[in-house]
This record gives sequence, structure tokens and C-alpha cells, in this order.
Amino acid sequence: DIQMTQSPSSLSASVGDRVTITCQASHYINIYLNWYQQKPGKAPKLLIYDASKMETGVPSTFSGGGSGTQFTFTISSLQPEDVATYYCQQYGDFPLTFGGGTRVEI
Amino acid sequence: EVHLVESGGGLVKPGESLRLSCAASAFGFSDYSVTWVRQAPGKGLEWVSSITSFTTYTYYADSVKGRFTISRDNAQNSVYLQMNTLRAEDTAVYYCARDPCRSGKCYLNLWGPGTLVTVSS
Repeated sequence: DIQMTQSPSSLSASVGDRVTITCQASHYINIYLNWYQQKPGKAPKLLIYDASKMETGVPSTFSGGGSGTQFTFTISSLQPEDVATYYCQQYGDFPLTFGGGTRVEI
Repeated sequence: EVHLVESGGGLVKPGESLRLSCAASAFGFSDYSVTWVRQAPGKGLEWVSSITSFTTYTYYADSVKGRFTISRDNAQNSVYLQMNTLRAEDTAVYYCARDPCRSGKCYLNLWGPGTLVTVSS
């Protein structure tokens, strides 16, 4: 199985700050990496797919990068509505696996 | 409006069964693979099972293999998750999600609101 190690597990930043989350895959997964946002009590929402492609309607303050085994997710200017838990997910192979999540607070 | 809705969750005792449904509206359901993802209380996301669009290949997490069965009825725009021999560790919110790739492993770009399954004596 491909393990996804996401860090940090939580962070606190100020409005307007740049925030970066990293995700490391235990095996090579090319660009087969997605990022989701989950707000409390809600279903996850796709933000980034194929490592760096933005889902339709997602604000441009969100971005993703990386390939192979190392990936990053960035919020360029943190806003109050961005408070949520963020998950990476690989689809290089079954079983699909998620990172442990990063809780972002202000 | 395009959406997915799960149903069938509830409280059951260990060893009992439950069948979850995922109903799709307002999109070409048969063109999409569907995945079930669960989230135990206060925990992260865990992939459970996927079913592809046309070939209807099925895939399962080791934790549910042999106990859960995923199926689909394109005429009813629905996917089902039959869960047998339920355990306390199956307690979670179960989400169904749409995957636009025929392979069943891609990105999940539409999610239902989830249905809670509680396994407790």
C-alpha cells in the first residue's frame, strides 16, 4: 500500500499569511495526487487534482505542486473562511489512501 | 442541481448488516465510477470501496474485504454498499463520491453529505 505522510498535523496562522502543507508518498505516484478541504460537519470538497490542477470554482489563492513522492499545497493568503482540515489523497494505485489531515486555524 | 445523497445509515449491533444507498441526480451517472469513503468520529478519511463505470470492476479496502459488497444499478442512478458482519470499528460517517475516471481511481469531485453508521451493543 502507498502511505501518505502529511505535515504538519495542525497549524495556526494569521489572516493574510502564506500557508504550506506537505504530503509525502511512500512510493512513486507521478502526479496522481489530490487535495481536499473539509469544514466541520461537512463533506470533503475537491480543491486540487493531478497535483496542481485547480478544480472549477476554487479560489486562486489555493495551489498545489510536486510530483513523484513530494507534494505541496499552498494557501497564498489565508482567509477566515479557509479554516478547515485539508487532506491529500493518492490515486497511483488501489487502495486509495489519504494523508492524516492538516487542521488549519486562525 | 447535480448532487449525491446517501441513505441507509443507523444504529446496529455487532454482527448485524446494513445496506447503504447512494442516489445521484442531474448528471450522467452511468459515465462515472463511484467510491465510498468513511470517517470515524474525530478521525481522518478512509477509502472503503470503489466501483467502476462501465466495466463495473470492484475494489475494497482490506479492512472490509469479504464483509462489504459494492454494486450499482445505473437504471436507478444508484450505488449500494452492503455491509455484513459489522464491527464497532466500522462506526463512521460514510460518504459516497463521484469519480470521473473509468478506472475508478482518479479524483472525487462530487460528494454526498454522508450517512452515519453506528455499530454498538
